[in-house]
Amino acid sequence: DAGVTQSPTHLIKTRGQQVTLRCSPKSGHDTVSWYQQALGQGPQFIFQYYEEEERQRGNFPDRFSGHQFPNYSSELNVNALLLGDSALYLCASSLALGTGGSEAFFGQGTRLTVV
Amino acid sequence: GNSVTQMEGPVTLSEEAFLTINCTYTATGYPSLFWYVQYPGEGLQLLLKATKADDKGSNKGFEATYRKETTSFHLEKGSVQVSDSAVYFCALGVQGGSEKLVFGKGTKLTVNP
Repeated sequence: DAGVTQSPTHLIKTRGQQVTLRCSPKSGHDTVSWYQQALGQGPQFIFQYYEEEERQRGNFPDRFSGHQFPNYSSELNVNALLLGDSALYLCASSLALGTGGSEAFFGQGTRLTVV
Repeated sequence: GNSVTQMEGPVTLSEEAFLTINCTYTATGYPSLFWYVQYPGEGLQLLLKATKADDKGSNKGFEATYRKETTSFHLEKGSVQVSDSAVYFCALGVQGGSEKLVFGKGTKLTVNP
């Protein structure tokens, strides 16, 4: 089992550009959540996808959007990049079991640098 | 709202010292509580968890007890090792699960030989 895999591992973009980050969940998991971790801070919840729909969303602008595919993999898209979007983006997968859910497994993250 | 406050770091200890990292939370409902560890250049790994009041989570010599009366979930280890050097995050699971996590800012631990 490869666990949660994210690509790419590192990315450098110019302010104003758009970026797409990808995540493959752990085998058997159906729920994908995305987090932004700024340097020296704890991760902040961006949104969560289940059954190809956004189920929950954190306090992030509409420039942040996502998608989940039938195979449960997910993409995070960020438009009109700002310098402040520079961060480590973490993907977490879990299995939706009623209201309790299951343990969230994290990928190693994508380090995005906006210049 | 939901929030987590954890002890500011960095924390520097000698090998075999006792470790405590304080964590308190504010939450509506009955959250689950977690400690995650992040080694340099890596993602987060679940260290331990507790899903209800008075539960004790434990793993690799680390322990934390879910204290509802003090809204706390302090992390402890009796004898740290150099390999424990990492950043530790306290988190709560909204709605009692781990699907949406609210994290503290993290505490960097360095253990010297």
